[in-house]
Amino acid sequence: EIVLTQSPGTLSLSPGERATLSCRASQSVSSNYLAWYQQKPGQAPRLVVYGASSRATGIPDRFSGSGSGTDFTLTISRLEPEDLAVYYCQQYGTSPTFGRGTKVEIK
Amino acid sequence: QLQLQESGPGLVKPSETLSLTCTISGGSISDSSYYWGWIRQPPGKGPEWIGTIFYSGSTSYNPSLKSRVIISVDTSKNQFSLKLSSVTAADTAVYYCAGALTGPYTWFDPWGQGALVTVSS
Repeated sequence: EIVLTQSPGTLSLSPGERATLSCRASQSVSSNYLAWYQQKPGQAPRLVVYGASSRATGIPDRFSGSGSGTDFTLTISRLEPEDLAVYYCQQYGTSPTFGRGTKVEIK
Repeated sequence: QLQLQESGPGLVKPSETLSLTCTISGGSISDSSYYWGWIRQPPGKGPEWIGTIFYSGSTSYNPSLKSRVIISVDTSKNQFSLKLSSVTAADTAVYYCAGALTGPYTWFDPWGQGALVTVSS
């Protein structure tokens, strides 16, 4: 099983700031089969990025994904108040697994 | 627009079988572009993949749950279902159904709203 470790656990930033979320895999993720999800309080997760860097339909271009192998990053270039959420990474190169999440707080 | 909705009992006794159904609207379960998955999320924790099914009945399961899980499909009702046997308190979670493009191991989109299932006597 591939274990995904997300950091930091919580990120507290002001509107307009840049948010950088990390996801590190315990072994290489084949073909960069990595996705990111946004989960707002009381809601189901929503797909943000798949294939490590492809934005899902309807996701603003301030969200971008990058990385390969074992290290992946989700960047929110200019934080908006509605970006308050927990963000999860998921690998699907083998039996799918999820990280434990990074909570983004807005100051 | 593809939408999914979970349904089933919100309370299950320990050692019994949890049963949930996912109803698809705005699309067909027989659409060969999609696989269909179950994911659960214990309170305060990250999601956990349970398994995925194709409309033909082909399944893939999480190895850690495989001995207790059955996922099935009913194309006449545009539904797929989850059965998890011998439940304990550790199985208390919000259970989501979701669409999965491209294959059994893939990303999930869209998701249903989720169904909270509590295991308690």
